[in-house]
Amino acid sequence: TQLLEQSPQFLSIQEGENLTVYCNSSSVFSSLQWYRQEPGEGPVLLVTVVTGGEVKKLKRLTFQFGDARKDSSLHITAAQPGDTGLYLCAGSNFGNEKLTFGTGTRLTIIP
Amino acid sequence: GAGVSQTPSNKVTEKGKYVELRCDPISGHTALYWYRQSLGQGPEFLIYFQGTGAADDSGLPNDRFFAVRPEGSVSTLKIQRTERGDSAVYLCASSSRLADSNTGELFFGEGSRLTVL
Repeated sequence: TQLLEQSPQFLSIQEGENLTVYCNSSSVFSSLQWYRQEPGEGPVLLVTVVTGGEVKKLKRLTFQFGDARKDSSLHITAAQPGDTGLYLCAGSNFGNEKLTFGTGTRLTIIP
Repeated sequence: GAGVSQTPSNKVTEKGKYVELRCDPISGHTALYWYRQSLGQGPEFLIYFQGTGAADDSGLPNDRFFAVRPEGSVSTLKIQRTERGDSAVYLCASSSRLADSNTGELFFGEGSRLTVL
């Protein structure tokens, strides 16, 4: 069974601060996705990374896929209250369409 | 509709009862997934359909859980003899993700919140 552990589990910071969320596994994944989920809604895709060492930027969000494709990070610059939500990483492997989700990081940005 | 639709949005039932949860995916999406999410946790995979067939049902916790997708569109998750531990949000997602692919976005519905008393 492939597991994805996220840290921290909870994070509460002031508006304007920077933060990093981590997603780690002992298994290799062919691709990794990051989703954000708000209360009462389903997760919404933010980004997909497929190449070891790949870095993608989405406005103030920077996503990195580890060189060995076992881990990933999400860095948010100058956090805003609208960034509040549950952040989920999810990995999959070629030939297996099942997406395995991480344990989640609940982020709260305080105005 | 434009997105994935799930009904009911909330279901309260008594222990031992039978429950059906429905998912109407985005039109044209061949892949359909069911996940279960407990409060504050990541979604847990239950079953995946590619077309009408269950391509991977390895996440179904036991034989009380069953899902169908008879015409390759709408899917129903069926839970027999419900237990209090079945209480969770059941999420459905659809995708245009192809077989033998490891990319592609999953579009989730808002979920069906099941409470077993």
